[in-house]
Amino acid sequence: AQSVAQPEDQVNVAEGNPLTVKCTYSVSGNPYLFWYVQYPNRGLQFLLKYITGDNLVKGSYGFEAEFNKSQTSFHLKKPSALVSDSALYFCAVRDSSTPGYSSASKIIFGSGTRLSIRP
Amino acid sequence: NAGVTQTPKFRVLKTGQSMTLLCAQDMNHEYMYWYRQDPGMGLRLIHYSVGEGTTAKGEVPDGYNVSRLKKQNFLLGLESAAPSQTSVYFCASSYPGSQGKETQYFGPGTRLLVL
Repeated sequence: AQSVAQPEDQVNVAEGNPLTVKCTYSVSGNPYLFWYVQYPNRGLQFLLKYITGDNLVKGSYGFEAEFNKSQTSFHLKKPSALVSDSALYFCAVRDSSTPGYSSASKIIFGSGTRLSIRP
Repeated sequence: NAGVTQTPKFRVLKTGQSMTLLCAQDMNHEYMYWYRQDPGMGLRLIHYSVGEGTTAKGEVPDGYNVSRLKKQNFLLGLESAAPSQTSVYFCASSYPGSQGKETQYFGPGTRLLVL
């Protein structure tokens, strides 16, 4: 069965410092991996995704994520944090081997990591 | 484009009451989803639809029903609300151009409190 884990409930970083939000996954086939961000009282917004190809994926707002197949990880990173990056971040995974329309139901979200950037 | 909209934004129900949550999207997406978000549990899929007139159960379908009579609308019904259904409900939609790879677009959420 597929699963995704975000081991940290909260990450605290000073503005200007690099940040990392961790995500590990488990699927039987090759993964499709996603990061979404949720600002207070808002729905989730897409940040970036890994489908295939280059292990380093660049996304919105200066975020990037590195796919590491051997460690089954897809950590979200940013070189220099901003106070406005404070939000709830969700990692999600789909198994690419799931055929047909059933793939629509097979995305699994992590429990979320709250990122807090202090000035 | 408005994207994905949800009605209402907030609702308080008494146990046993019924209600319908409306989701609408103007992006001509084939797929639509209903999730619930509970603290520490991420998003869990309630029901989903891969096209007009079709619906299917997700991870936590009990106590909910859905309908997709029009492509742009996806309704979530609670026939007899229970306190365990207190949650934030999110609707999402996606274009199935490359199944499994598509990005989901989320609505702003509906906060439901069942007393």
